[in-house]
Amino acid sequence: DTGVSQDPRHKITKRGQNVTFRCDPISEHNRLYWYRQTLGQGPEFLTYFQNEAQLEKSRLLSDRFSAERPKGSFSTLEIQRTEQGDSAMYLCASSFAGSSNTGELFFGEGSRLTVL
Amino acid sequence: GNSVTQMEGPVTLSEEAFLTINCTYTATGYPSLFWYVQYPGEGLQLLLKATKADDKGSNKGFEATYRKETTSFHLEKGSVQVSDSAVYFCAPRGGGSGGYNKLIFGAGTRLAVHP
Repeated sequence: DTGVSQDPRHKITKRGQNVTFRCDPISEHNRLYWYRQTLGQGPEFLTYFQNEAQLEKSRLLSDRFSAERPKGSFSTLEIQRTEQGDSAMYLCASSFAGSSNTGELFFGEGSRLTVL
Repeated sequence: GNSVTQMEGPVTLSEEAFLTINCTYTATGYPSLFWYVQYPGEGLQLLLKATKADDKGSNKGFEATYRKETTSFHLEKGSVQVSDSAVYFCAPRGGGSGGYNKLIFGAGTRLAVHP
């Protein structure tokens, strides 16, 4: 399977704990995105990378959230001191930035976070 | 930045009925427009897209036309099937001060098709 893969698929944690999610994009894609989706809502943009550079961060991304893409391939999203309001599906997507790019994103199946 | 408003759900139809899900957007310029679908238990998948005004995107019997005059991108299907039951998201490409290199998603419209 050469699609976007995310790990873990489901994480249950206690409030105050730290969690980390990993995303492996489609191999030839140089852009990687993180979105958050809560029940009954559409995905909300969090941040994106082009290669290893983090080019945009949403105001939704509080200082407890940090994302990295150290070698321009996989990415991690860490949430420190989790709160119950962080419970959501965290979606990763990738795309290729080139002259033919129309903006289409390819999504993984998501990592569901439940904070107790 | 760009924003999107789509028809609230749920939409409940009988098999073979005609479907319309409305989507309007506000944008700087003329962004590419997308419809994504999320089937139960699955990730978001691209359904169709249109990259410029008057383009018609189509896939699996679904169609949507990029209308710059009305800033709309309504999704239609002539005859829905039970297997079309899913949540549908309209998504213009982002823009303005927020940057163009992302998609802005609507809240989604849940479609339930009954036999």
